[in-house]
Amino acid sequence: KAGVTQTPRYLIKTRGQQVTLSCSPISGHRSVSWYQQTPGQGLQFLFEYFSETQRNKGNFPGRFSGRQFSNSRSEMNVSTLELGDSALYLCASSHGLAVTYNEQFFGPGTRLTVL
Amino acid sequence: ELKVEQNPLFLSMQEGKNYTIYCNYSTTSDRLYWYRQDPGKSLESLFVLLSNGAVKQEGRLMASLDTKARLSTLHITAAVHDLSATYFCAVIQFFEETSGSRLTFGEGTQLTVNP
Repeated sequence: KAGVTQTPRYLIKTRGQQVTLSCSPISGHRSVSWYQQTPGQGLQFLFEYFSETQRNKGNFPGRFSGRQFSNSRSEMNVSTLELGDSALYLCASSHGLAVTYNEQFFGPGTRLTVL
Repeated sequence: ELKVEQNPLFLSMQEGKNYTIYCNYSTTSDRLYWYRQDPGKSLESLFVLLSNGAVKQEGRLMASLDTKARLSTLHITAAVHDLSATYFCAVIQFFEETSGSRLTFGEGTQLTVNP
């Protein structure tokens, strides 16, 4: 069974630009969550999508947005990039059902560097 | 707001020794996860602990959960160099109104096992 894939793996952008990251979950998984990892703030939840609907959102400014497609693939977008957006962005895939233990499987991440 | 605290944050130990990493969390939850992260890599799921008193073991690692004390431990037995990595605990929260969920992570424990 293929794992979670994320593209691109590495990205370099300049301040003010925007970026789109992509995540394909494990086949059969309908929930995709996004996390940001930085040395200073650690791992922080961005948002969760399930069946094309955002179910949950973390404490990030509106510059961070996302969406999910009917095939469960998800994208996240960051507009007007700031230096502090440099981070490893991790996507996690799960069944998304509370009745299961909802284990989340993480993709390899996208390393974003903002110059 | 859920807080998850790990200690120690840095652990340097010799091969063959035993040690325990502690994970405390601030609100009621009966599901806790342990992940491993190698430098520059993504998160690898180690254990899913689903109920009070749960204990799981894999190789030299054993994890346990005490939901009454809001405490989980990750015990390392006879450490080997290959266990050098950063270990994260994470607590899942479910939100009834949206059926959404999110993981809140501890700060991570950077483990170095020296020959």
